[in-house]
Amino acid sequence: AQSVAQPEDQVNVAEGNPLTVKCTYSVSGNPYLFWYVQYPNRGLQFLLKYITGDNLVKGSYGFEAEFNKSQTSFHLKKPSALVSDSALYFCAVRRGGATNKLIFGTGTLLAVQP
Amino acid sequence: DTEVTQTPKHLVMGMTNKKSLKCEQHMGHRAMYWYKQKAKKPPELMFVYSYEKLSINESVPSRFSPECPNSSLLNLHLHALQPEDSALYLCASSQDGTGTGVGEQYFGPGTRLTVT
Repeated sequence: AQSVAQPEDQVNVAEGNPLTVKCTYSVSGNPYLFWYVQYPNRGLQFLLKYITGDNLVKGSYGFEAEFNKSQTSFHLKKPSALVSDSALYFCAVRRGGATNKLIFGTGTLLAVQP
Repeated sequence: DTEVTQTPKHLVMGMTNKKSLKCEQHMGHRAMYWYKQKAKKPPELMFVYSYEKLSINESVPSRFSPECPNSSLLNLHLHALQPEDSALYLCASSQDGTGTGVGEQYFGPGTRLTVT
C-alpha cells in the first residue's frame, strides 16, 4: 500500500533561517513525488515535483526538495525563510504508471517568526 | 493560464436542500477531480473523471452526485446532506487523463460548504 508520512505537525523557524519540512514515503515501483502549499482559506498550490533524474528539484518561491531513494524521503527545503512562507504544506505521492490518484501526507504547518 | 475556478465561494444549505458546485478549467486538461477537505487535514479524494468519464469513485455517499458535462466543466450535485458534510470542497485538474502521465494537479480555491 502507498503511504506518505510527514512526521512534524508544525515547524517553527525564524525569518532568514533555513527551513526543512520532512516527508517520507512508501510505494511499490517508481514514485512520483509532489509538494503543495495551502494558505488559509485557499486551495492547494503546486510547488514542485520529482519524477526522475536529478535528485535535487527546484520549484516555486525559492523552494527545493531532495529525493533520497535509500531513505525514501523527499524533504522540502528553503535556504532563507520568509514570514510569507507561513502556511500548511502537503507532501504527496503517486505510483508511476498507475492511476491519477494522489496520496497525501497529513500536512505540516510552517510558522515563520519575524 | 493555470487557473481552475470554482463557484460559489461559500454555500450554506439546509439538510433538505439541493444545490450544485461548479468547477471550470480551460487548460485542456483531461482529468478532473473532486476532493473534500476538513480544517487542517489533507484533501480526501471523492471522484476522478478521465476523458469525461467517471474513473474513480471513492465510495462516496449517493447524496453527492458528480457530473462532467464537457471537458472543461465539472459539477457536484448535493442533496440531503448531513452537518458532517460541512467542509471545503476542492476541484482539481491534470493534463493527462490516462493515469500514466507525470503532470501535477492544479487546484481551484474551493467552495466552503456549511450544512445546517
